[in-house]
Amino acid sequence: DAGITQSPRHKVTETGTPVTLRCHQTENHRYMYWYRQDPGHGLRLIHYSYGVKDTDKGEVSDGYSVSRSKTEDFLLTLESATSSQTSVYFCAIRAEGLGANVLTFGAGSRLTVL
Amino acid sequence: GQQLNQSPQSMFIQEGEDVSMNCTSSSIFNTWLWYKQDPGEGPVLLIALYKAGELTSNGRLTAQFGITRKDSFLNISASIPSDVGIYFCAGVNFGNEKLTFGTGTRLTIIP
Repeated sequence: DAGITQSPRHKVTETGTPVTLRCHQTENHRYMYWYRQDPGHGLRLIHYSYGVKDTDKGEVSDGYSVSRSKTEDFLLTLESATSSQTSVYFCAIRAEGLGANVLTFGAGSRLTVL
Repeated sequence: GQQLNQSPQSMFIQEGEDVSMNCTSSSIFNTWLWYKQDPGEGPVLLIALYKAGELTSNGRLTAQFGITRKDSFLNISASIPSDVGIYFCAGVNFGNEKLTFGTGTRLTIIP
């Protein structure tokens, strides 16, 4: 395993409640990413981080916030979950140097918003 | 946001058949990646391509970096049941932290 874990793996919540997904890595990589995967859309970038406290938006960032207080943890928060945020969320990490553009993905977190 | 055009969207084949899929972009990339996703898992890297015209193999898989740098191809020879899954292409340029993914090709093997 590449040393990346996501939690929780499955979550069911109600509209309007806050939700936080956690991504933890043991590789000490600088770059971490959050994607969502929906049928017909493939993988779409929500937010990414290029270091502790350094984050930037992706193409579908509305309704999401992130935090990176430690190298190993990247948190994705839905402040007030909506049904349109029902999806499978993937965290990814990226090495620098040789093979720098290659992402390694976690196993995913399936979120259902009722 | 930009996404790559990946085709076909789905394939239904018999075991032992060869498979071809491709990915095209309106802009150039200097790295192309191919990933496979098994049900309930995250995508796993199959092949990385770093040079236009490059042809790289990984077992029964062969991928090519298009000479125009706007496309890439993945071939699977003599398919087996474990080839079932979704295949994604991704393009990226040096110095850009963000990859652009295709919408995926779902491969199903008919018994």
